[in-house]
Amino acid sequence: DVKVTQSSRYLVKRTGEKVFLECVQDMDHENMFWYRQDPGLGLRLIYFSYDVKMKEKGDIPEGYSVSREKKERFSLILESASTNQTSMYLCASSLAGTGHNEQFFGPGTRLTVL
Amino acid sequence: AQKITQTQPGMFVQEKEAVTLDCTYDTSDPSYGLFWYKQPSSGEMIFLIYQGSYDQQNATEGRYSLNFQKARKSANLVISASQLGDSAMYFCAMRGLKSGGYQKVTFGIGTKLQVIP
Repeated sequence: DVKVTQSSRYLVKRTGEKVFLECVQDMDHENMFWYRQDPGLGLRLIYFSYDVKMKEKGDIPEGYSVSREKKERFSLILESASTNQTSMYLCASSLAGTGHNEQFFGPGTRLTVL
Repeated sequence: AQKITQTQPGMFVQEKEAVTLDCTYDTSDPSYGLFWYKQPSSGEMIFLIYQGSYDQQNATEGRYSLNFQKARKSANLVISASQLGDSAMYFCAMRGLKSGGYQKVTFGIGTKLQVIP
């Protein structure tokens, strides 16, 4: 059974803390993604990676960075957490190439920044 | 640029009835793919169905079908014989399919479906 796992389901951090969100997939997918989901805004792409050590900015990269040292792992880093980064964070992966390559999602991490 | 519009923030349907969730899109890509995902209260997004812009027939997957009207730029999801487990958020999404580089997926804001016993 294909799987995307995220390190935490719920996380509470304080303003200014450095936060790491980890995502691991076991499907040997080339592409990995980080989204944030807010009510009324849908899913917005933060960063994606199409290969190890490669990354591309999405629609809302400000305040975030990412790391992909191994194919199966994609980390999202909040260098200095702020209250406006309180959100649900979803990781996803997919095969490379065009066509019908749907994304497989993890269970999400609900982050609260106090 | 791509845009997905879902105009129904919430929908109710009686158990065993059919329901249509609306999705319209806008894109300048000549070739694209359309997706529907389901998100139960547990939070995990689940892929339901895919339609390629070049597909001649509407996609179907079990109780899910996609009513694709290219000229109207609409890709409505039809769920037949609704079940209580269908209560969830539903997201429409699209991706351009041109080669060369990754074409990111654009999501709509979702429709919350509630199935009434």
